[in-house]
Amino acid sequence: GESVGLHLPTLSVQEGDNSIINCAYSNSASDYFIWYKQESGKGPQFIIDIRSNMDKRQGQRVTVLLNKTVKHLSLQIAATQPGDSAVYFCAENPGDKIIFGKGTRLHILP
Amino acid sequence: DSGVTQTPKHLITATGQRVTLRCSPRSGDLSVYWYQQSLDQGLQFLIQYYNGEERAKGNILERFSAQQFPDLHSELNLSSLELGDSALYFCASSVGWTVRETQYFGPGTRLLVL
Repeated sequence: GESVGLHLPTLSVQEGDNSIINCAYSNSASDYFIWYKQESGKGPQFIIDIRSNMDKRQGQRVTVLLNKTVKHLSLQIAATQPGDSAVYFCAENPGDKIIFGKGTRLHILP
Repeated sequence: DSGVTQTPKHLITATGQRVTLRCSPRSGDLSVYWYQQSLDQGLQFLIQYYNGEERAKGNILERFSAQQFPDLHSELNLSSLELGDSALYFCASSVGWTVRETQYFGPGTRLLVL
């Protein structure tokens, strides 16, 4: 089906720790995946993407891991900061459109 | 600031009415995408225009229509509004026609239908 879901709706992480946000996708035809960050009152902001011919991609303080065998995507944020507080969406591209997951809210504990 | 602008920021209207949302893409971007974000449905792709032509269609209702003008700005028209149409409407833009390019989102228009 056309669903992209996240395992946890809310994730609380201590400031300075690493955050791991998980996502399950269901469409085997998807070969491109994206993570977006949405801060309160703003539109989604691109973080990082990965194509299906890769299993890992690194950006600045973020890493995306793709496991095609179990249709699982994760976003790792290193040394989580207060500014990382937001809702994170994974999205997949099975054709000519992007399908977004429901989102995970990342809450940073002081 | 993504460079994508949307107006109005907020819109309150009544059921049965018609509204128009406006989007100006980033300078140089030829694609405009429209999305609806609601609490129960999440972020849903509605429609994409590329250089004035409809490129892809998502879960857009027949009561909704969009167009992209020669200056590349886009309008989303919502008619016969229902309570369930209350949502955030985002526009995004990208340089080319493929969805595998970074999309830059505007700040959104919050629509409330009473």
